[in-house]
Amino acid sequence: GDSVTQMEGPVTLSEEAFLTINCTYTATGYPSLFWYVQYPGEGLQLLLKATKADDKGSNKGFEATYRKETTSFHLEKGSVQVSDSAVYFCALSGAGTALIFGKGTTLSVSS
Amino acid sequence: GAVVSQHPSRVICKSGTSVKIECRSLDFQATTMFWYRQFPKKSLMLMATSNEGSKATYEQGVEKDKFLINHASLTLSTLTVTSAHPEDSSFYICSAPRGGSGGDEQYFGPGTRLTVT
Repeated sequence: GDSVTQMEGPVTLSEEAFLTINCTYTATGYPSLFWYVQYPGEGLQLLLKATKADDKGSNKGFEATYRKETTSFHLEKGSVQVSDSAVYFCALSGAGTALIFGKGTTLSVSS
Repeated sequence: GAVVSQHPSRVICKSGTSVKIECRSLDFQATTMFWYRQFPKKSLMLMATSNEGSKATYEQGVEKDKFLINHASLTLSTLTVTSAHPEDSSFYICSAPRGGSGGDEQYFGPGTRLTVT
């Protein structure tokens, strides 16, 4: 079945460092791909998405490109801030539009 | 602002009792809603798909008699954990797809922390 694999972390960075969180997927068909973020004590929020190959999703300085040839959707940010500390989930849309999530990556940014 | 709400946000109950969690779409109608369970430091596991006007569809391994789902209206789905046990303690999250049932973007509720003592 469909699945998502992402680096589990935790990832610890200093402010202004470059961030990459790897995500690969296995799916039949052509799923949409998502990154969700969960800030401490809050619910999941959509960070960005891409719906077809070579699409680039971007938001708040974060970017991810839908790479069909490598079945990847890596999340990147050029300069992280303390406020980016959160748990990041890679996900794909499975059959019936229910989301299939990776295990989440905890990011901790220190000043 | 939030477009999907959950109530309560936290609940503590004793073993053997039942707990009802509500999930509401606030400014749109949702013929389908999803219920997830999130374990500590684990990902979200889809439990079931709630369908307005028909029975819920449960994922493999989820006890439908224990986790009762009722999609009472186009804006409300409820999850009732019956005869709760400590191992049911978890974070329960609902979501609704934007656009009703066919959209690929989901709005998530803030979650309900259930603790069974």
